[in-house]
Amino acid sequence: SQTIHQWPATLVQPVGSPLSLECTVEGTSNPNLYWYRQAAGRGLQLLFYSVGIGQISSEVPQNLSASRPQDRQFILSSKKLLLSDSGFYLCAWSSGRLNYGYTFGSGTRLTVV
Amino acid sequence: KQEVTQIPAALSVPEGENLVLNCSFTDSAIYNLQWFRQDPGKGLTSLLLIQSSQREQTSGRLNASLDKSSGRSTLYIAASQPGDSATYLCAVRPINTGTASKLTFGTGTRLQVTL
Repeated sequence: SQTIHQWPATLVQPVGSPLSLECTVEGTSNPNLYWYRQAAGRGLQLLFYSVGIGQISSEVPQNLSASRPQDRQFILSSKKLLLSDSGFYLCAWSSGRLNYGYTFGSGTRLTVV
Repeated sequence: KQEVTQIPAALSVPEGENLVLNCSFTDSAIYNLQWFRQDPGKGLTSLLLIQSSQREQTSGRLNASLDKSSGRSTLYIAASQPGDSATYLCAVRPINTGTASKLTFGTGTRLQVTL
């Protein structure tokens, strides 16, 4: 069966420090991968998605970047964190077959101080 | 642009009641609709996935219906329990967003089931 792993679960980082969040998927190949952010009391905002290795699409301009160095690995990064980057970050995967649903990771709570 | 709305935004019911959560969407060109549950500080757990050609799906005490032509879905929870307390999100997978087919999420319904 397919599983998705996301880490770390929580992270407290000072302003201006770098960020790296990792997400991996097991049990499938060539998944579509997604990074979402959920600010406190707000809805889910799609940040990046990828349909293949090295293929990254950005939904909103921001202080973050994403990379997909391997088929089942998706990384969210920042060179210098801002206070506004605080939030709950969720990774998700879906099949390229459009009748599939999405499966989400357990999330990373990022607090920038 | 697809918009997804959920009513009510919050709901509190006593244990044992049957309840209905509503989800409406503006564009019926969808592949499927998915209901999720989110506990505080946790990720999203998929509850039910309904394809556009289906009318309903059932899992245990949960039943989700889909009326694509009217842009509506309902999630029915039978015999509610305190453990059902969570935020419930619906999301549609639109047809017109390319191979990535990005989900559009609703605003969520926060459910509290009291003893």
